[in-house]
Formats: sequence, C-alpha cells, structure tokens
Amino acid sequence: QKEVEQNSGPLSVPEGAIASLNCTYSDRGSQSFFWYRQYSGKSPELIMFIYSNGDKEDGRFTAQLNKASQYVSLLIRDSQPSDSATYLCAVFWDTGRRALTFGSGTRLQVQP
Amino acid sequence: ETGVTQTPRHLVMGMTNKKSLKCEQHLGHNAMYWYKQSAKKPLELMFVYSLEERVENNSVPSRFSPECPNSSHLFLHLHTLQPEDSALYLCASSQDTGGADTIYFGEGSWLTVV
Repeated sequence: QKEVEQNSGPLSVPEGAIASLNCTYSDRGSQSFFWYRQYSGKSPELIMFIYSNGDKEDGRFTAQLNKASQYVSLLIRDSQPSDSATYLCAVFWDTGRRALTFGSGTRLQVQP
Repeated sequence: ETGVTQTPRHLVMGMTNKKSLKCEQHLGHNAMYWYKQSAKKPLELMFVYSLEERVENNSVPSRFSPECPNSSHLFLHLHTLQPEDSALYLCASSQDTGGADTIYFGEGSWLTVV
C-alpha cells in the first residue's frame, strides 16, 4: 500500500529561524509532490509543488526532492508566527489511485 | 468568492437522518473529489469524479452516496451514519485527474453525528 509519512510534531522554532519539514513516501513510482498548509479549522491551501529532483524555491519556501531516497522536504526561511499551522505532504503516484495521497501532517509552531 | 464552495459549513444530524453535502466549483475544472478528515488522521480520499463519471470509490461504506450531475457540482448524500463518521468533509477540484494538476479545496463541511 502506498503511504506518505510525516512526523506529527509539533515542531517548534523561534521567529526568524529556518523550519525544516520532512516527508517520506513508500513507492518509487511517484510522479508529483505537493505541500499544503492547513490552519486550524480551515481547509488545506497549496504552498508549492515539485516534480523533479533538486530544489525549487518560491519566496521564503524551498521544496527539496530526492526520489532515490524517497524523500521530500519543505524549508521555510525567516519563519513568522503566521506560519504556525499544520503542513501536509501529498504525493501523486502514476499508477493506481487517481488522486493525491496525503500524510497526516506536521504541526509547526513559530515562537515570537 | 472562493473557487470551491461547500454547503452547509456545519451540520449536526442524528443517526437516522438523511442529509446531503453540496459542493460547487467555479474554476472550470473537470475533476472533483470528496475527502474525509478526522482528528489526527491523514486526509482520506473517498470518491473521485472525472467529467461526471465516478472513477474511484475508495472502499467507502454505502451510507455515503456521491452524486455528480455535472462537472461543476458534487453532492455527498448521507444516511444512517454512525458517530465515527463525524469529521470534516472536504470537496476539491482539479483540471484533470492526471496527477500533475493542483487540487483546490473548499472550506469544508463539519459533520457531527449524534
């Protein structure tokens, strides 16, 4: 069964620090990878996606993908209290299910 | 106005009731989804529709019945639910189900079964 694993946290970082969120997945036949942010009581919203090995940067966010190690991460630079939320990793496999499979999320707390 | 709209936002129903959740997307997408989110569990895919055709049913109990009358609307009909069905139900849409497309979520419907 294809699975997406995340540490539930909470991950606590001081304001201005770099937050590093990690995600592993169980099957090499994956195609695309997404990071969503979910504030308490709200629905998930897309932060960024990555398809190719390496880094992808968007503002304060950097996604890193290593398909050989089945590992994707999200770095948040200059963390702000407003970044405090649950971050969901999602994977699309090119075989089987025709929708994203989500991890359980990592709760991030940015301390002022 | 958000791209994916869900109603009602909150619903409390008894185990013998019949109710429906409604979703409408204004993004011109071809695919729509129902996900269930329970406390401390990953988002669980329930149903996938592509161009109004159900393409995936993820072993969901028959007390949940989806309906997709057109590519912009999706319903989830609920009947004889159990208390463990209490959760946040999220509707989502994407351009297609090909995987490279971002899915966009609605605000969700909070369901409490008493």
